[in-house]
Amino acid sequence: DTGVSQDPRHKITKRGQNVTFRCDPISEHNRLYWYRQTLGQGPEFLTYFQNEAQLEKSRLLSDRFSAERPKGSFSTLEIQRTEQGDSAMYLCASRPTGGDTQYFGPGTRLTVL
Amino acid sequence: AQSVTQPDIHITVSEGASLELRCNYSYGATPYLFWYVQSPGQGLQLLLKYFSGDTLVQGIKGFEAEFKRSQSSFNLRKPSVHWSDAAEYFCAVGGRLGSSASKIIFGSGTRLSIRP
Repeated sequence: DTGVSQDPRHKITKRGQNVTFRCDPISEHNRLYWYRQTLGQGPEFLTYFQNEAQLEKSRLLSDRFSAERPKGSFSTLEIQRTEQGDSAMYLCASRPTGGDTQYFGPGTRLTVL
Repeated sequence: AQSVTQPDIHITVSEGASLELRCNYSYGATPYLFWYVQSPGQGLQLLLKYFSGDTLVQGIKGFEAEFKRSQSSFNLRKPSVHWSDAAEYFCAVGGRLGSSASKIIFGSGTRLSIRP
């Protein structure tokens, strides 16, 4: 069990550019979650996958955001036309089949200039 | 509405002193309750969780928490803090497996500083 991994750990981009983050969950965890954490706040739920199906999306997930989990393993989160307000830590978590605990990755810190 | 309130933004305690971090929640069904800790530059680490049964739960690093249904509270305690406990602590509530509410709702966190 190597834990949840996220790549990159840090990303600096200019406003208007597109960015993509990757999350690799713990092996055989069928549920995968994305959260966003801004400075001084707790993480806020963005979206959730069970295997490859995206089952829930927050209203925080504007149409500039898209998430995929094509083979039910790793997931990507893409932000198009980034805005300064997108600057945050993006956290990924996975949860095993039949389990109730989410295990978090180290996060990707995005800075939009 | 589902929510978690951590009324203390920042707490400073002396090393060796006892600690209590407050957490109140609002949740329509019987919740799962969690405490996570986040150190600078680190991900969220689960300290402990409550699902059912004994309302006093033990976690890692000497932490414990008590679920009080009548007060909608889940306060975190430690009898004697260490300098390495300085971090951000998040209380969270989640839905039971199989419910539609599978996401976790976090409080805004309490930053713990340790006075030497």
